[in-house]
Amino acid sequence: DTGVSQNPRHKITKRGQNVTFRCDPISEHNRLYWYRQTLGQGPEFLTYFQNEAQLEKSRLLSDRFSAERPKGSFSTLEIQRTEQGDSAMYLCASSSPELFFGEGSRLTVL
Amino acid sequence: GQNIDQPTEMTATEGAIVQINCTYQTSGFNGLFWYQQHAGEAPTFLSYNVLDGLEEKGRFSSFLSRSKGYSYLLLKELQMKDSASYLCAPKGGGGSYIPTFGRGTSLIVHP
Repeated sequence: DTGVSQNPRHKITKRGQNVTFRCDPISEHNRLYWYRQTLGQGPEFLTYFQNEAQLEKSRLLSDRFSAERPKGSFSTLEIQRTEQGDSAMYLCASSSPELFFGEGSRLTVL
Repeated sequence: GQNIDQPTEMTATEGAIVQINCTYQTSGFNGLFWYQQHAGEAPTFLSYNVLDGLEEKGRFSSFLSRSKGYSYLLLKELQMKDSASYLCAPKGGGGSYIPTFGRGTSLIVHP
């Protein structure tokens, strides 16, 4: 399978815990995006990488969120001190230019 | 910022044609995407318009008018499996490669 891969697919955590999601993009794509989606809404932009450089970050992204893309390959999105409002589907996409999305990582914060 | 407006919900009959409109305001413009999203699944790519006009791809077509900030997705010969959310996503200009998604239009196809 050469699509975008995300894991874990589901994560249930208690408020205050840290969580990390991983995204493996399509190998020849140099642009990688993270979005967040809640029920009834479209995907909301979080951050974007071109190769290993994080070029843009949403103003909505609090300091508790950090993303990395070492060596321009896979990417991780970490959420520290999770809050119930962080419960959402976290989507990763890589582009060529159309975005190809992974299956998403669903986070539930109790 | 960017504003994207789509109808919240539409219903149509199997075999019919439906047009889903999208109006947008962006800081510059670098193309517009349409995506389909079934409940509980990730969005899947349908079309990408950069220039004005109609792009046809099988049962789905997408139209763009850059001067009017307007696009539509046309679905022909509707099937039950077309029941899904349809997301319009313009990409801003000025070197930005970030598609911004609207809330989506929930299409319900009934027999």
